Amino acid sequence: AQSVTQPDIHITVSEGASLELRCNYSYGATPYLFWYVQSPGQGLQLLLKYFSGDTLVQGIKGFEAEFKRSQSSFNLRKPSVHWSDAAEYFCAVGLLISGGSNYKLTFGKGTLLTVNP
Amino acid sequence: DTGVSQDPRHKITKRGQNVTFRCDPISEHNRLYWYRQTLGQGPEFLTYFQNEAQLEKSRLLSDRFSAERPKGSFSTLEIQRTEQGDSAMYLCASSKGLAVGGYTFGSGTRLTVV
Repeated sequence: AQSVTQPDIHITVSEGASLELRCNYSYGATPYLFWYVQSPGQGLQLLLKYFSGDTLVQGIKGFEAEFKRSQSSFNLRKPSVHWSDAAEYFCAVGLLISGGSNYKLTFGKGTLLTVNP
Repeated sequence: DTGVSQDPRHKITKRGQNVTFRCDPISEHNRLYWYRQTLGQGPEFLTYFQNEAQLEKSRLLSDRFSAERPKGSFSTLEIQRTEQGDSAMYLCASSKGLAVGGYTFGSGTRLTVV
């Protein structure tokens, strides 16, 4: 069965520092991969996605992620963190359903990011 | 485009009562999803509609749960005889086609069963 592991439950960084959030997945085929961000009491906002092609994908808010098939990883990075980036970040893999006509998301448990001034 | 709208935002109910949540997707989105998120966990898939047809249901969706999308527009999720374990955030999302752009999630309904 597919699964997503986010090894870090909580990360604290200083404003202006670089950030890397780890994500490892288990899935038999080439995965659809996603990063979502969730602010307290809110729904999820899509940061970026990987379906195929270039393994380095750019997203919103200055985030990027790199798909590494050999390591089954899809780590999220940002070169300089802003205080407004404090939130919970979820990595997800898309599992094909309905005969391949759509997918459903399996999420990791999330990484809570705290940003110190 | 007003996004995905969910109502109510918060619901407190007594154990054993029935509750119903509503989701209004983005108007041109024909696919609609329900997810459940408990404290400290990522969202978990519950069910999926394409237009009015419910095409996929998770084993998490016990007999006490029912979801409908009668006209292929808004959807409702009903929980009968609520239990404390049903306390969670219920998230609705929608997409157009294969959702290569990803889903759009609503802000969720937070259910507390006391």
